[in-house]
Amino acid sequence: SQKIEQNSEALNIQEGKTATLTCNYTNYSPAYLQWYRQDPGRGPVFLLLIRENEKEKRKERLKVTFDTTLKQSLFHITASQPADSATYLCALGHRGSTLGRLYFGRGTQLTVWP
Amino acid sequence: EPEVTQTPSHQVTQMGQEVILRCVPISNHLYFYWYRQILGQKVEFLVSFYNNEISEKSEIFDDQFSVERPDGSNFTLKIRSTKLEDSAMYFCASSQEAASTDTQYFGPGTRLTVL
Repeated sequence: SQKIEQNSEALNIQEGKTATLTCNYTNYSPAYLQWYRQDPGRGPVFLLLIRENEKEKRKERLKVTFDTTLKQSLFHITASQPADSATYLCALGHRGSTLGRLYFGRGTQLTVWP
Repeated sequence: EPEVTQTPSHQVTQMGQEVILRCVPISNHLYFYWYRQILGQKVEFLVSFYNNEISEKSEIFDDQFSVERPDGSNFTLKIRSTKLEDSAMYFCASSQEAASTDTQYFGPGTRLTVL
């Protein structure tokens, strides 16, 4: 069966440290993978997109890697701040689907404490 | 910055009633989507819409669901006869191009409660 698994449901780290979130997938053939942030009661907010032929993408304090051999993406937030506390969602676009259908993981709830 | 808007923010309805959830996508976007998220669960795709027709729909999007773009700005999701299990957050999203090259921008959601 197809699965998208994000590491622990919750991750707690101290301010200033690097948060690393994982996304593993099974039985998908992703053309691209996206990371979103979701705050309680709100819609997902796009953060980064990485395509299957890309290894790494960076945006300010954010970095995402994509390893199609390991079927895994890692999402890093460096110099984390309490304002980074949110749920982070991994979503992929599967080659067998059309026009942007996204398949989401359940998310990892990140808490950054001072 | 342009954003996707959704109304209402919260809709309460009785089982069996029809509901229409409304969305205004970003104005120059061409691809439109509906997703839902049951409380505590993952975000699930319902339907994508392009060039005034459905491009893809999931197994969730049965005959009780329909979508429409009645004018140049609104995009609606209708549930004909609501069930208890339709209670969820419904998110509209839009993108300028197909999501392989462009991001999807999500609205704030409509919380649907079916009693």
